[in-house]
Amino acid sequence: RKEVEQDPGPFNVPEGATVAFNCTYSNSASQSFFWYRQDCRKEPKLLMSVYSSGNEDGRFTAQLNRASQYISLLIRDSKLSDSATYLCVVNRYNFNKFYFGSGTKLNVKP
Amino acid sequence: EAGVTQFPSHSVIEKGQTVTLRCDPISGHDNLYWYRRVMGKEIKFLLHFVKESKQDESGMPNNRFLAERTGGTYSTLKVQPAELEDSGVYFCASSQGTLSTNIQYFGAGTRLSVL
Repeated sequence: RKEVEQDPGPFNVPEGATVAFNCTYSNSASQSFFWYRQDCRKEPKLLMSVYSSGNEDGRFTAQLNRASQYISLLIRDSKLSDSATYLCVVNRYNFNKFYFGSGTKLNVKP
Repeated sequence: EAGVTQFPSHSVIEKGQTVTLRCDPISGHDNLYWYRRVMGKEIKFLLHFVKESKQDESGMPNNRFLAERTGGTYSTLKVQPAELEDSGVYFCASSQGTLSTNIQYFGAGTRLSVL
């Protein structure tokens, strides 16, 4: 079983739409959670860390459900520039290696 | 401030040849990681340095891969001899500190094609 599972998409949405991605992780020892964004042939860049209480950054909201072992990302008012692959990443306590999901591709259309 | 830089950006070699990838982490970052993405798969961990020491090399696929970080600054990853299944994108990342919550900053990767 994979450490981190994501729906690969693609999610094709119009500008202004709200879109949500989910990700599940298999190891209950996972302690830190992140969403990274990757544009085509570029480096993964941190979008936001995900905290137990949930957190919001502008149009982006991340939630963590430890009981069900899933993480979500909500994007409101989608922009063309949001088109990218969104990577779900987890990290276990005291271990520094990242476990990546395969990524969810988002296409925002005019 | 300069980010993580990797060289070369793209390498095409023949099976059996040797290739060396280089990573320059963000200045002052003690942690340096190598990851790899093969076609159609997720990014997977290869190895982690803390300064010049190998902290975790559990992801290294086999002994054809050799990573070094002499002096605790830049790192190299050598593949010798390269095989077809080594093709993929090799990412380097760096971070500060030892907490699991520390953010890793990634380079743009080296795209390796073994023919």
